[in-house]
Amino acid sequence: EVQLVESGGGLVQPGRSLKLSCAASGFTFSNYYMAWVRQAPTKGLEWVASITNSGGSTYYRDSVKGRFTISRDNAKSTLYLQMDSLRSEDTATYYCTRGGYWGQGVMVTVSS
Amino acid sequence: DVVMTQTPPSLSVAIGQSVSISCKSSQSLVYSDGKTYLHWLLQSPGRSPKRLIYQVSNLGSGVPDRFSGTGSQKDFTLKISRVEAEDLGVYYCAQTTHFPYTFGAGTKLELK
Repeated sequence: EVQLVESGGGLVQPGRSLKLSCAASGFTFSNYYMAWVRQAPTKGLEWVASITNSGGSTYYRDSVKGRFTISRDNAKSTLYLQMDSLRSEDTATYYCTRGGYWGQGVMVTVSS
Repeated sequence: DVVMTQTPPSLSVAIGQSVSISCKSSQSLVYSDGKTYLHWLLQSPGRSPKRLIYQVSNLGSGVPDRFSGTGSQKDFTLKISRVEAEDLGVYYCAQTTHFPYTFGAGTKLELK
């Protein structure tokens, strides 16, 4: 059974950093592109970043480019999202996703 | 960015009724490999999104065949035949043909 379990969320002040993790199981992690998608409170879905199966290529939405870094450790079957210079508009539930599979999400709140 | 326009924004239906949701994109969603990366997701209340349909018309794993997807190029439709109580929630169309990936604003399906 495919499982994606996010962790690392929490309350953080504007300008600070946070690193999210997504532990994958039930499939060969190194074979799949992965992505992060977020959802601000009461809002719709917004793609954040994607990474190829080898980690050799990464893609970001403009609003997080230069501040967020997506990465992966295929040996650990884990996806990461390093979030720096956080802003209040980054407040959202962050989901790890592989195609048709989504994690339960992790909440990130950016507030002073 | 590709704009995904979903209509209607909300639907009130009776159990057993059939409904359709429209999704129109601002650009063709046909990728260079000839495939169309248009997908439909359902987010039930308090839950993570779940993929129902991928690449226009392919049913996701475990998704009942009451759901069907049609369309091409820039114009797509999700049909739900014989709505059941478990179908309630917010439906999103999503495109993964062009970066940044984008989602429709959602269609909220409620019980009449």
